[in-house]
Amino acid sequence: DQQVKQNSPSLSVQEGRISILNCDYTNSMFDYFLWYKKYPAEGPTFLISISSIKDKNEDGRFTVFLNKSAKHLSLHIVPSQPGDSAVYFCAASGGANNLFFGTGTRLTVIP
Amino acid sequence: NAGVMQNPRHLVRRRGQEARLRCSPMKGHSHVYWYRQLPEEGLKFMVYLQKENIIDESGMPKERFSAEFPKEGPSILRIQQVVRGDSAAYFCASSPRQGVYEQYFGPGTRLTVT
Repeated sequence: DQQVKQNSPSLSVQEGRISILNCDYTNSMFDYFLWYKKYPAEGPTFLISISSIKDKNEDGRFTVFLNKSAKHLSLHIVPSQPGDSAVYFCAASGGANNLFFGTGTRLTVIP
Repeated sequence: NAGVMQNPRHLVRRRGQEARLRCSPMKGHSHVYWYRQLPEEGLKFMVYLQKENIIDESGMPKERFSAEFPKEGPSILRIQQVVRGDSAAYFCASSPRQGVYEQYFGPGTRLTVT
């Protein structure tokens, strides 16, 4: 049972434009959400997080938006750079000890 | 400050052999998590340990898999009598405190069962 879903396996964006990665979840008990970036042959690297008491969190070029009523969050990267090309995982937690991950979206930023 | 270390990076085992995967958390981190990533899937939680204690093993298969985090030394994920379906990337993460917050991941061990 996939409680965190990333329905777009891949996304291509032109350098300088905005990248929008989407994530949906089914468990209403989730209250903390994170985005990780993963390069091949490396572990996931933490990017940005958001608590359910907020609807937006911004860190440099990265902004995460949370819509609790729709059980949806998105990661915006502006402007996109070729070095952003990687697999992005959305993850969620409901106060337990583990993270539930989506299946990832492969972002390709075209120079 | 070194990151999370995992070894070996690649491990090949024949069916029926044992696999031992090691994880050294970041300095100052006493919370360790193991995840497994099957091909084309996201990471799935297996077990959460603190020093000398298993806190949550709800994601561990009931048989053949075990984990430990001794007082001294790395955390070990042990898979006995491996089968082809165990082939996956196994990631370890550590954090400085309880609760998921930001977990820092190692580079993973890719296990191949032939």
